[in-house]
Amino acid sequence: EPEVTQTPSHQVTQMGQEVILRCVPISNHLYFYWYRQILGQKVEFLVSFYNNEISEKSEIFDDQFSVERPDGSNFTLKIRSTKLEDSAMYFCASSEIRGGGRSETQYFGPGTRLLVL
Amino acid sequence: SQQGEEDPQALSIQEGENATMNCSYKTSINNLQWYRQNSGRGLVHLILIRSNEREKHSGRLRVTLDTSKKSSSLLITASRAADTASYFCATDSNTGKLIFGQGTTLQVKP
Repeated sequence: EPEVTQTPSHQVTQMGQEVILRCVPISNHLYFYWYRQILGQKVEFLVSFYNNEISEKSEIFDDQFSVERPDGSNFTLKIRSTKLEDSAMYFCASSEIRGGGRSETQYFGPGTRLLVL
Repeated sequence: SQQGEEDPQALSIQEGENATMNCSYKTSINNLQWYRQNSGRGLVHLILIRSNEREKHSGRLRVTLDTSKKSSSLLITASRAADTASYFCATDSNTGKLIFGQGTTLQVKP
């Protein structure tokens, strides 16, 4: 069964460093998402992406964050200058059609656990 | 305001018993989804119910949706130790963005 994959599974970085989290969505999916979950807290939406542009972003997704689909298969989340509070599990998700009146399931990857020291 | 609040926050039952988790939300939705998360792992989609549906079944799972009360419930029948996990409801209000609740931690004792 197709699945979303994410790399790395764990990443440790120093505060101020740049990190890139990678995701390979399910191949025929058109919509991509990033969420994060700080330890012990709820999963929070960061950004959605369709047709090579951001569809929607949350307040969390400030200028330090960016997303990119560098090729036909990868979807990346970059944090330019990490802060301690960026430590969290980051989930990538993809869906076949958008939930704009045509709801559809989002399939989540296993996550990347980011620790900022 | 919080969207997608589950209760109870924690539930402990014996294997074979049924587990019921509830979710309330505040805004209009297009659909509501339930996910399972094993400790420290990814989210696994369980079931999606659309706003025009009232009940849905999938194996041992039964989901109800009451849009007038802005609430949903997830029933797991004949629970197994392997059902031990956190369960989250997530609402989609027509943009594709999912808003998750805090989750219910379910422990099923063998």
